[in-house]
Amino acid sequence: AQSVTQLGSHVSVSEGALVLLRCNYSSSVPPYLFWYVQYPNQGLQLLLKYTSAATLVKGINGFEAEFKKSETSFHLTKPSAHMSDAAEYFCAVSEEAGSYQLTFGKGTKLSVIP
Amino acid sequence: ETGVTQSPTHLIKTRGQQVTLRCSSQSGHNTVSWYQQALGQGPQFIFQYYREEENGRGNFPPRFSGLQFPNYSSELNVNALELDDSALYLCASSFGTLYEQYFGPGTRLTVT
Repeated sequence: AQSVTQLGSHVSVSEGALVLLRCNYSSSVPPYLFWYVQYPNQGLQLLLKYTSAATLVKGINGFEAEFKKSETSFHLTKPSAHMSDAAEYFCAVSEEAGSYQLTFGKGTKLSVIP
Repeated sequence: ETGVTQSPTHLIKTRGQQVTLRCSSQSGHNTVSWYQQALGQGPQFIFQYYREEENGRGNFPPRFSGLQFPNYSSELNVNALELDDSALYLCASSFGTLYEQYFGPGTRLTVT
């Protein structure tokens, strides 16, 4: 069975500061990993995905994540937070490249302080 | 190109009633997945339909059922509603099971 743990249900950063959202996964097979963002009253938007190619994955809006097999982690980072980054972020794992039957973490709400 | 749409946006039902939620997939997509997102939680996979056939199911009871139509739109039906069914229901479409899922805005269901 696969599972995802997101450390910190709420993270606050100052505008311009580093954003670090943590995700650890458990999977019995080589995982495919995803980060999604959800703005209020909206669906989920894919930020980036890891599908066994490069371990450092770059996504949209300046976000990137690094797959570390030894740590079973896939943390999301952005060098400089912007007010528009305030949203909820979900890490997800799948056994299939196409995000079939995604298993999501509980989410981390990011607040950006001006 | 039209994205994934869902209807209705909001819905209020009484415990014991039945509800049908609808999803129109993105143009060219033949696969639809449904997720339940309870308040403060991540989405949970309910089931997926690929070319009108169920192609996987999460840990949900049989009173959660679905359909996919020839135009690849989909319905989620929930019978005998319980208070815990109150959630945001998300539909996602993709071109086959091996490609990225695109999510709709969701239907907010409240059971009283």
